[in-house]
Amino acid sequence: DTGVSQNPRHKITKRGQNVTFRCDPISEHNRLYWYRQTLGQGPEFLTYFQNEAQLEKSRLLSDRFSAERPKGSFSTLEIQRTEQGDSAMYLCASSFATPPGANRALHFGNGTRLTVT
Amino acid sequence: DAKTTQPPSMDCAEGRAANLPCNHSTISGNEYVYWYRQIHSQGPQYIIHGLKNNETNEMASLIITEDRKSSTLILPHATLRDTAVYYCIVPFGGTASKLTFGTGTRLQVTL
Repeated sequence: DTGVSQNPRHKITKRGQNVTFRCDPISEHNRLYWYRQTLGQGPEFLTYFQNEAQLEKSRLLSDRFSAERPKGSFSTLEIQRTEQGDSAMYLCASSFATPPGANRALHFGNGTRLTVT
Repeated sequence: DAKTTQPPSMDCAEGRAANLPCNHSTISGNEYVYWYRQIHSQGPQYIIHGLKNNETNEMASLIITEDRKSSTLILPHATLRDTAVYYCIVPFGGTASKLTFGTGTRLQVTL
C-alpha cells in the first residue's frame, strides 16, 4: 500500500507531556497537510507544506503546536504541554501542487488518535 | 471557503441510487466543488470534483446546476460499504488546499 501512512495510530498521554506524530505522504506528492478532527465534527485545517516550506501555519491552534517537514518528505506534528482539549484525531494528507481544475484531491491517512488524560 | 449546506442525514436502501444534495449559493466563477467521504475510523476519501459540467468516475456522478448554486452527488447503486459521512466542499479561490469540511451528510445504507 503506497498511501499516506501515519504513526502511531493511537497515543495516550498525560496532561503536560509532549507528543509527536509522524506522517509519511505519498512519495510523488509535494504538498502535505495536517488536519484535526474532534468527535462529531469535520476535519479542521491546521497547516500545510509545499516541499519543505511551510506555507500556512496561522491555523495552528496555539504556539504549543508545531510542524516540520525538514527534507520535503515525511512530516512531524508536535504538541507541547498537552491539555485535555487536545484530545482528537490528527489527520495527515498529501497532494500534488497543480493548477486549479487539475486533480488536487487530498489523499488522507487514517490518522493518529490522541487521548490526553 | 464558500459556505455549503447539506442535510445532516439521509437513508438509502442497498442497490438504490443515493442522491446527496449540496447548496453552495455563494460560489464564484472559478471555484470548484469537491466531494469527499469519511467512513468510520478512517481518513476522508476523495470522491469527485467539478466546475460546471457534470462529471462521472468509477465511484460516483456529480451533477452541478446551470447557475452552479447547488450540486448533487449520485451513488448509482449504493452498498452497505457506502455508509459514511459525505462532505461537499468549495475551496476558496479554487486552491483546494485548506479545505473546510463542515459536518457533512451522514448516509446510512440499509438492507
